[in-house]
Amino acid sequence: DVQLVESGGGLVQPGGSLRLSCAASGFTVISNFMSWVRQSPGKGLEWVSVVYSGGKTYYADSVKGRFTISRDTSKNALYLQMDGLTAEDTAIYYCATDVRNLMFQHWGQGTLVTVSS
Amino acid sequence: DIQMTQSPSTLSASVGDRVTITCRASQSISVWLAWYQQKPGKAPNLLISKASALESGVPSRFSGRGSGTEFTLTISSLQPDDFATYYCQQYDDRPLTFGGGTKVEIK
Repeated sequence: DVQLVESGGGLVQPGGSLRLSCAASGFTVISNFMSWVRQSPGKGLEWVSVVYSGGKTYYADSVKGRFTISRDTSKNALYLQMDGLTAEDTAIYYCATDVRNLMFQHWGQGTLVTVSS
Repeated sequence: DIQMTQSPSTLSASVGDRVTITCRASQSISVWLAWYQQKPGKAPNLLISKASALESGVPSRFSGRGSGTEFTLTISSLQPDDFATYYCQQYDDRPLTFGGGTKVEIK
């Protein structure tokens, strides 16, 4: 069975950094589209970033230049390095994936990132 | 960016009702549309891909239609487990974008 488990969320001050991790099992991260999707408290869903199976990466304009998506095939894991955090980045961050296309068949449980002083 | 507009934002219905949610894209996305169900405190669950393809394990009371810019999600007979928030998402082009959500409430 496919499983995604996020970690690394927490409270961080504005301007700070955080690195999220997503441990994958039941498939290999290199074979799928791997994304981060976030949801601000009480709000809708926002796509953040994707890494294609071939390694190309793409970002939402709201995080471009501040966030970096990466994967480690030896650990079968996905990461999101978040720098220059602002209050607008406060959200639950989900790791999500699909082998077919840029939609999200499998999701993790989410990890909460709170940016506040 | 492709804007996705869902309507209504809230829908009050009773068990057994037929309900339809509409999602409109700001430009043609062919059939590259997915529908998700989300319950409080949980991650979304993919119901339908490619506008009308029911995912494995999803009850047949859910159906999706449409192409181009207008899409619908229909629940033929609302069940207690269906009270949730529903989102559409286009994957025709980046950035991937979601609709604002439709909360289906108990009347």
